[in-house]
Amino acid sequence: DPEVTQTPSHQVTQMGQEVILRCVPISNHLYFYWYRQILGQKVEFLVSFYNNEISEKSEIFDDQFSVERPDGSNFTLKIRSTKLEDSAMYFCASRGQVGSEAFFGQGTRLTVV
Amino acid sequence: GESVGLHLPTLSVQEGDNSIINCAYSNSASDYFIWYKQESGKGPQFIIDIRSNMDKRQGQRVTVLLNKTVKHLSLQIAATQPGDSAVYFCAENTFYNQGGKLIFGQGTELSVKP
Repeated sequence: DPEVTQTPSHQVTQMGQEVILRCVPISNHLYFYWYRQILGQKVEFLVSFYNNEISEKSEIFDDQFSVERPDGSNFTLKIRSTKLEDSAMYFCASRGQVGSEAFFGQGTRLTVV
Repeated sequence: GESVGLHLPTLSVQEGDNSIINCAYSNSASDYFIWYKQESGKGPQFIIDIRSNMDKRQGQRVTVLLNKTVKHLSLQIAATQPGDSAVYFCAENTFYNQGGKLIFGQGTELSVKP
C-alpha cells in the first residue's frame, strides 16, 4: 500500500535552533498538509499546500514556519527558531483530491529543550 | 478560543460488545467527514468517511451515522476487539475550501477489556 513517510521519527533540538522535518507524500497526490499534535491533545491544522504554494495556514503557522516542496517528491516543514512550545508530534498528510481521505505519516516527535 | 484539555473522553467496553463513539462538529458548511483511529505513537489512520448527502455509511464492522440537523456524527464498531483500542477522532472538511484542511475533534479513547 502507498504510504506517507516522515523523517526523522524523533528530533531533539535546543531552543532557538532551526529544524527541518521531512516528508515524502504519496506519489500521485496533489494536496499536502502539515498538522501537529501536542501530547494528549487533538490534531491541529498548520498549513495546506497545493500547486506549489500555500493554500491556507492557521494562526499557529507564523513567520517562524515555512514549507517547501523542493524537488517534486519531498515536502518539508522548517521551523526557524524553535521554542519550547513547539514540542509536539508533527504529521504530514497528503490527498489525491479535496473530498477524499487524507493519508497521514507516522509523525516526527519534536522535542525542544 | 478553542477549548483543549489534557483528558480525553474515555469509553470502556467489553470485548465482543458494540461501541458507539460520538462527535459534535462545528461548521454547518462542512460536507465531508472522516473518522480516524490513532494508536499510541502513530499517525491517524483512516477508518471510514461520509459525505453530507448521506446519513449512513457502512464498512467492515464499522458504521458512521451523520445527523446534519444537530451537527452530530457517530461511529459504531461491531463486536469490538482488543485491537480496536485507540483514540478515535472525527474530522470535518468543506469542499469550498480549496486547501481541503481537516478540522479534528477532541478525540475519544476507546479501551477494550478482554
